[in-house]
Amino acid sequence: DTAVSQTPKYLVTQMGNDKSIKCEQNLGHDTMYWYKQDSKKFLKIMFSYNNKELIINETVPNRFSPKSPDKAHLNLHINSLELGDSAVYFCASSQTDRAYEQYFGPGTRLTVT
Amino acid sequence: QKEVEQNSGPLSVPEGAIASLNCTYSDRGSQSFFWYRQYSGKSPELIMSIYSNGDKEDGRFTAQLNKASQYVSLLIRDSQPSDSATYLCAVMGRYSTLTFGKGTMLLVSP
Repeated sequence: DTAVSQTPKYLVTQMGNDKSIKCEQNLGHDTMYWYKQDSKKFLKIMFSYNNKELIINETVPNRFSPKSPDKAHLNLHINSLELGDSAVYFCASSQTDRAYEQYFGPGTRLTVT
Repeated sequence: QKEVEQNSGPLSVPEGAIASLNCTYSDRGSQSFFWYRQYSGKSPELIMSIYSNGDKEDGRFTAQLNKASQYVSLLIRDSQPSDSATYLCAVMGRYSTLTFGKGTMLLVSP
């Protein structure tokens, strides 16, 4: 059974489009995250979310927004895509009191043309 | 801006040797430190955590922490080709979020 899953695995789209990446975890965790890994492999936190609060990295453009329909899902919506958004996006989850032990999804490679 | 610095490598070692991976961090108040391993095209996975000064051993892996020098290291003994990956140093910051270094690529040659 996949612990943290993401769809799609690959996403190719044009500048200006709006797209979403879905994330689901079946670990019973109460905190979920989105990370961006750029071409230089730098992994950077974008959002941290549990049922109480959303923590946003202040450097993330407001074109990016997380949406959580329930505890097991945290989807990433991106509006007006730009070339610089091309990267691998990882979803992760953890228990709030064990935030260091994060389980990562397989990643979604987004290419903006 | 809290930072975590690592040499990007690649660090090349022969099979059976000790690989030494280093990391420095800027936030003197940091208390929790982690090493993640990321194989090419795969997602990161946690391999070691360390919270106190000194050494922590787990199998072939030893994490070392020196808070005075703001320095964390990972030693891999008896390196195997299967250890070839990128090793990410991470520091727990505010709001229990992880700040990652850029990672060090390790290549273990048979």
